[in-house]
Amino acid sequence: GAVVSQHPSRVICKSGTSVKIECRSLDFQATTMFWYRQFPKQSLMLMATSNEGSKATYEQGVEKDKFLINHASLTLSTLTVTSAHPEDSSFYICSARAKTSSYEQYFGPGTRLTVT
Amino acid sequence: RKEVEQDPGPFNVPEGATVAFNCTYSNSASQSFFWYRQDCRKEPKLLMSVYSSGNEDGRFTAQLNRASQYISLLIRDSKLSDSATYLCVVSEVYGNKLVFGAGTILRVKS
Repeated sequence: GAVVSQHPSRVICKSGTSVKIECRSLDFQATTMFWYRQFPKQSLMLMATSNEGSKATYEQGVEKDKFLINHASLTLSTLTVTSAHPEDSSFYICSARAKTSSYEQYFGPGTRLTVT
Repeated sequence: RKEVEQDPGPFNVPEGATVAFNCTYSNSASQSFFWYRQDCRKEPKLLMSVYSSGNEDGRFTAQLNRASQYISLLIRDSKLSDSATYLCVVSEVYGNKLVFGAGTILRVKS
């Protein structure tokens, strides 16, 4: 149980285009999903916290107009990188928190974005 | 100063060795502590939570010193499959924002 999927696993796009990444909790309901970014040899950094049915909360320094987050259902959150640039190339990982007392976060397999 | 600091390593050890990783955190309001494991180009996976009394899971022992804001992980009888990056993670509230260290690389060699 507690499986989180991400799609796509890898994407290459041209500078200026937008990319949508999906995060799904497959066998549980996730009231909260988190989006992280990891640059090579660096730690995972939280970008935003997404609560179902409400606006996402962004961490300091993360542009909300550039990284659009939608959490329309209890099993799906999407991250759209708008007008992507090479410096947005990174490993994007989501995690989902189940509606249980444990509040453990379950991580997706990540999406590797390369902007050329 | 980073919120969570770890020695990046790498730690190169032979199979069967005992290896210890340390971590310090700066936010005294931190309430929850974890060790995660991350394999190359993969998502992090929870290895174990860390409790004030210290806890053990098989070959893995974690310790927490709140006064010093210091967390440790001890791996006994290292296996080749233990080779990975070990991430020290803290949170102010369990289940909320996780703050990750940059990780310590472990390479176990035969």
